[in-house]
Amino acid sequence: EAGVTQFPSHSVIEKGQTVTLRCDPISGHDNLYWYRRVMGKEIKFLLHFVKESKQDESGMPNNRFLAERTGGTYSTLKVQPAELEDSGVYFCASSQIGVLNTEAFFGQGTRLTVV
Amino acid sequence: AQSVTQLGSHVSVSEGALVLLRCNYSSSVPPYLFWYVQYPNQGLQLLLKYTSAATLVKGINGFEAEFKKSETSFHLTKPSAHMSDAAEYFCAVTYPRYSSASKIIFGSGTRLSIRP
Repeated sequence: EAGVTQFPSHSVIEKGQTVTLRCDPISGHDNLYWYRRVMGKEIKFLLHFVKESKQDESGMPNNRFLAERTGGTYSTLKVQPAELEDSGVYFCASSQIGVLNTEAFFGQGTRLTVV
Repeated sequence: AQSVTQLGSHVSVSEGALVLLRCNYSSSVPPYLFWYVQYPNQGLQLLLKYTSAATLVKGINGFEAEFKKSETSFHLTKPSAHMSDAAEYFCAVTYPRYSSASKIIFGSGTRLSIRP
């Protein structure tokens, strides 16, 4: 069974450009989470989807970030326009029920560098 | 506010020595606690979890952790370090009885190095 996959693995863009990150959760997992780790700091929650609905987006830093999960399958996270402080590793995770009851499976992450 | 503190951003031990990675949480409500590991160029992998059953939890690769409510700690240990244990380790917490429980709160991570 395939795990959580994220594309691209690395992205280098200039300040002001747009970048779209993609996450494919494990098939059948209704819960999908986005996290971000800025260099040397803790991994911070961004948002949580249950199927196609945003359950909690309290961690989204500002309106330059837009997450979607059309059809309740894969999710995209768009940053537009990108700023230097957006650099970091973006993780996606999925789980079957709530993260409380089962393990949340994480992808390898997308390393975003804004120059 | 709930938080997780990992003491020591970098820990170095000799091969065969005891590994001890420290984690403390702040909370007034019962938590669920996790340790995740990230090997180079890989995603986060669950090592073990505490969900209010046995306070001593055994995980993969010989790791274990003990939940101590009185000390608000969940330290990770392994009796004998192996070179393959070199990785970054994250302590994490979630709170099952509250609306925010859907998210895992992570510590800042501890990078473990193993000396030959």
